[in-house]
Amino acid sequence: DTEVTQTPKHLVMGMTNKKSLKCEQHMGHRAMYWYKQKAKKPPELMFVYSYEKLSINESVPSRFSPECPNSSLLNLHLHALQPEDSALYLCASSQLRPAPRAYNSPLHFGNGTRLTVT
Amino acid sequence: QKEVEQNSGPLSVPEGAIASLNCTYSDRGSQSFFWYRQYSGKSPELIMFIYSNGDKEDGRFTAQLNKASQYVSLLIRDSQPSDSATYLCAAYGNNRLAFGKGNQVVVIP
Repeated sequence: DTEVTQTPKHLVMGMTNKKSLKCEQHMGHRAMYWYKQKAKKPPELMFVYSYEKLSINESVPSRFSPECPNSSLLNLHLHALQPEDSALYLCASSQLRPAPRAYNSPLHFGNGTRLTVT
Repeated sequence: QKEVEQNSGPLSVPEGAIASLNCTYSDRGSQSFFWYRQYSGKSPELIMFIYSNGDKEDGRFTAQLNKASQYVSLLIRDSQPSDSATYLCAAYGNNRLAFGKGNQVVVIP
């Protein structure tokens, strides 16, 4: 079992739907991440939050909207998605260390949400 | 040039043998390197991390880092069928964790 919990495990949504993915960790990590993974491909970084502030947005389309309500929670709001957005969405967390080693801690992944857009 | 490269194709090893996986990285400023194991349909699971040149052993796994050659490797000793998975090499560079494309390992009983 992972210490990063993602819900739901599976999600099927239409292109006009609005849905949210949720992620929770209680390891005291102050960095949280969203990754997207297509079949037989490595995870692709979408967003990074450090100390609850968005620090990296990898030019993700605006139909994906992240939110970090507090240090334990991370959401990904979905709206007007396309079928090609179907993928495994992974949340991860890590410790933060003072620069320059700020991002050097291992990432711990949740079990992911398998998203299908119809 | 990709940040992290894993160029080997699927690796088939007999049960009990050593599986060897290799990875190169392009950012000389990278300081931290990770190996993740991913079973089909599951999320990546951290199995090793290494920060210093040399070898680091954890059970049946040994990670090796050579910063001068920008090279990271993973050895799996006494391979078991449960080791059959995709192994992802990852390195921190440009303030983000970059993954290689992964290597599939198949352990044949």
